[in-house]
Amino acid sequence: QVQLQESGPGLVKPSETLSLTCTVSGASIDSHYWTWIRQTPGKGLEWIGFMYDNGDSSHNPSLKSRVTMSVDTSKNQFSLKLTSVTAADTAVYYCARFARDPEFRGQGTLVTVFS
Amino acid sequence: DVVMTQSPLSLPVTLGQPASISCRSSQSLVYSDGNTYLNWFQQRPGQSPRRLIYQVSNRDSGVPDRFSGSGSGTDFTLKISRVEAEDVAVYYCMQGTHWPFTFGPGTKVDIQ
Repeated sequence: QVQLQESGPGLVKPSETLSLTCTVSGASIDSHYWTWIRQTPGKGLEWIGFMYDNGDSSHNPSLKSRVTMSVDTSKNQFSLKLTSVTAADTAVYYCARFARDPEFRGQGTLVTVFS
Repeated sequence: DVVMTQSPLSLPVTLGQPASISCRSSQSLVYSDGNTYLNWFQQRPGQSPRRLIYQVSNRDSGVPDRFSGSGSGTDFTLKISRVEAEDVAVYYCMQGTHWPFTFGPGTKVDIQ
């Protein structure tokens, strides 16, 4: 069974960079799209971006150029970096498999931007 | 961005009775490949979202057959034929046709 596990710091200071990793088990990271989505009480579920195993990616224009996504096929992991965070980036962050019809296979991780 | 609208936002239901949630998009969700990327998710309290339905009407493995999806173009519906206690959750529709993909605001289903 495919499982995803998000990991990373739960606290990030304003203006710093949020970094998260998603470890995939039960499936190869090859030949699939991989996705980051976040959830806040105020804005609900919001797409961050998705990427293919070759590194091609698309991110939500609302996040401007703050998003970088990458994949490490040797570790079966993919990662998210969000720069210049503010309190508005406080959210539960989910990684998921597929793009147009995502499967949430992890528990999500709460990231709080807090000084 | 494509705006996804759901109604109602709150749905008290009686156990054993049917329930229906409407989802409307601000643009047609038919993609250039001919598919319509409209998904439904269930999020139980304290859990991550779970995909129930993909491409309008395809039920995911393990999803009870009391859940069904229908619709086309800009109007879609999720139906629960007979609500059970485990169906208490927030239900979201999501479009995967136009980037950035977007979710509806959610419909909270609880037992009255």
